[in-house]
Amino acid sequence: GDSVTQMEGPVTLSEEAFLTINCTYTATGYPSLFWYVQYPGEGLQLLLKATKADDKGSNKGFEATYRKETTSFHLEKGSVQVSDSAVYFCALSGPGGTYKYIFGTGTRLKVLA
Amino acid sequence: DAGVIQSPRHEVTEMGQEVTLRCKPISGHDYLFWYRQTMMRGLELLIYFNNNVPIDDSGMPEDRFSAKMPNASFSTLKIQPSEPRDSAVYFCASSFAGLETQYFGPGTRLLVL
Repeated sequence: GDSVTQMEGPVTLSEEAFLTINCTYTATGYPSLFWYVQYPGEGLQLLLKATKADDKGSNKGFEATYRKETTSFHLEKGSVQVSDSAVYFCALSGPGGTYKYIFGTGTRLKVLA
Repeated sequence: DAGVIQSPRHEVTEMGQEVTLRCKPISGHDYLFWYRQTMMRGLELLIYFNNNVPIDDSGMPEDRFSAKMPNASFSTLKIQPSEPRDSAVYFCASSFAGLETQYFGPGTRLLVL
């Protein structure tokens, strides 16, 4: 069945460092792909999304490109801030024509000042 | 818009008691999702509704769990009887089908003693 694999965390970076969080997926169709962020004690918030191959989602300095050939949707940011410390979830939607999400396990990011 | 509203935000109860979690989706959204988040199992989809009708409850762990959506603006998740292993954060999310994006509530943190 459909699945999402994220890199293990935690990821610890210094402020202004470059961030990459890897995400790969397995899907029978052509799902939409999402990155959600969860700050401590809060619910998940949509960070960005892409709905078809080669689409690039971007928001708040974060970017991810829907790569069909490598089945990947890696999250990147050129210069992280302490305020980016959170858990990041990769997800795909639409398995079997549904609106269910399949989530990855989440990657915790800690940014040090 | 107020976003997805969940109540209570925190619940502490004793094993064997009935627990009811409540959710008010964003007005106009026609999909509603219930998730459970734990350290061990990550984020799990329990059940989702479309136009108040349960579509997929395959994630409901056992008969002690039940969910209802009597109208477009209200849903409940009930656990009866509760057990310590039900301790988790329970999230409700809603979406409008055409846009796919799910909007999450702040969650209910449940502790069963």
